[in-house]
Amino acid sequence: ELKVEQNPLFLSMQEGKNYTIYCNYSTTSDRLYWYRQDPGKSLESLFVLLSNGAVKQEGRLMASLDTKARLSTLHITAAVHDLSATYFCAVERYGGATNKLIFGTGTLLAVQP
Amino acid sequence: NAGVTQTPKFRVLKTGQSMTLLCAQDMNHEYMYWYRQDPGMGLRLIHYSVGEGTTAKGEVPDGYNVSRLKKQNFLLGLESAAPSQTSVYFCASSYPIAGEVFFGPGTRLTVL
Repeated sequence: ELKVEQNPLFLSMQEGKNYTIYCNYSTTSDRLYWYRQDPGKSLESLFVLLSNGAVKQEGRLMASLDTKARLSTLHITAAVHDLSATYFCAVERYGGATNKLIFGTGTLLAVQP
Repeated sequence: NAGVTQTPKFRVLKTGQSMTLLCAQDMNHEYMYWYRQDPGMGLRLIHYSVGEGTTAKGEVPDGYNVSRLKKQNFLLGLESAAPSQTSVYFCASSYPIAGEVFFGPGTRLTVL
């Protein structure tokens, strides 16, 4: 059974600081996704990581994937208040062609001024 | 393009009542999904469809039924609502093996 764990579950950080969110998954997977969710809103796609060693960056966020370690990281550089949200990683079950995603429990990020 | 839309946005039901949630997408996606989101549990897949006329069970299918009569629509039904089905429901869609899944705005359902 594919399980996805994120840590930390809650992250309070100061503006300007750097931090990393970790996403571990239990079995081989084809793809890993990162989403952002603001309170009461839908999920916004941030990154889709397709292969081992993949690294993608958008603004202050950078995501990477190590399929051998079954680990993805979302690194936040010089955080700003606008990054406050809940971040989810989701893993696609290996061998499936249907983009069925198994989600982590999410990391609530609060960036303090 | 409207993307993925959901109807209704909010609904309150009494235990035992039935209702249908409608999902529509205008991206010509083959695959569609229904997820539920509960506090502290992330999103869990209820049912999904890989094409018109097909449906399959996800992680938490009990108490729900689905239909995909048209490619652009995916309906989620609750035949006899229970308080445990109080949740936020998200519909999503994607192309086959395309690498991106698009989510609708969500439906907040409360069952009293």
